[in-house]
Amino acid sequence: EVQLVESGGGLVQPGRSMKLSCAASGFTFSDYDMAWVRQAPTKGLEWVATISYDGSSTYYRDSVKGRFTISRDIAKSTLYLQMNSLRSEDTATYYCTTTALYYFDYWGQGVMVTVSS
Amino acid sequence: DVQMTQSPSYLAASPGESVSISCKASKSINTYLAWYQEKPGKTSNLLIYSGSTLQSGTPSRFSGSGSGTDFTLTIRSLEPEDFAVYYCQQHNEYPLTFGSGTKLEIK
Repeated sequence: EVQLVESGGGLVQPGRSMKLSCAASGFTFSDYDMAWVRQAPTKGLEWVATISYDGSSTYYRDSVKGRFTISRDIAKSTLYLQMNSLRSEDTATYYCTTTALYYFDYWGQGVMVTVSS
Repeated sequence: DVQMTQSPSYLAASPGESVSISCKASKSINTYLAWYQEKPGKTSNLLIYSGSTLQSGTPSRFSGSGSGTDFTLTIRSLEPEDFAVYYCQQHNEYPLTFGSGTKLEIK
């Protein structure tokens, strides 16, 4: 059974940093592209970033480019999202997903990130 | 960016009925449209990708159609577990974009 378990969220002040992790199990992590998708309170879903199966390629939405970094540790079957210079508009639940052909086939339960002073 | 316009935003129906949800793209996305189901306390569930291909495990009462800019999700003979929020998503190009969601409630 595919399992994606996010961690690392919480309350952070504007301008500070936070790193999210996603522990993957139940599939061969090194075979899959991975992504982060977020959902702000009472809002819809928003794609954040994607990383290729081997980590060689990354893609970001414009609003996080230069501030967020997606990465993966294949040995640990773990996906990361390093978030710097956080803004109030980054407040959201962040979901870790597997991605195939640019759609999202398995999702985690999500982790909440609140950016507030 | 490709804007995805989903309608209706709210839909009330009874078990056994059939419903349709529309998703329109601001430009052609070929057939690269996915549908998801979201339920409280559960992980989001991919139902359909590439417009009409059912993900493994998706019941056959779900179907997707369309190409270019206009797409439809149809659920035939609603079951109690189908009452949820549904999202469309274009998977043709970056940035990947979602519709605003349709909440399907029991009438």
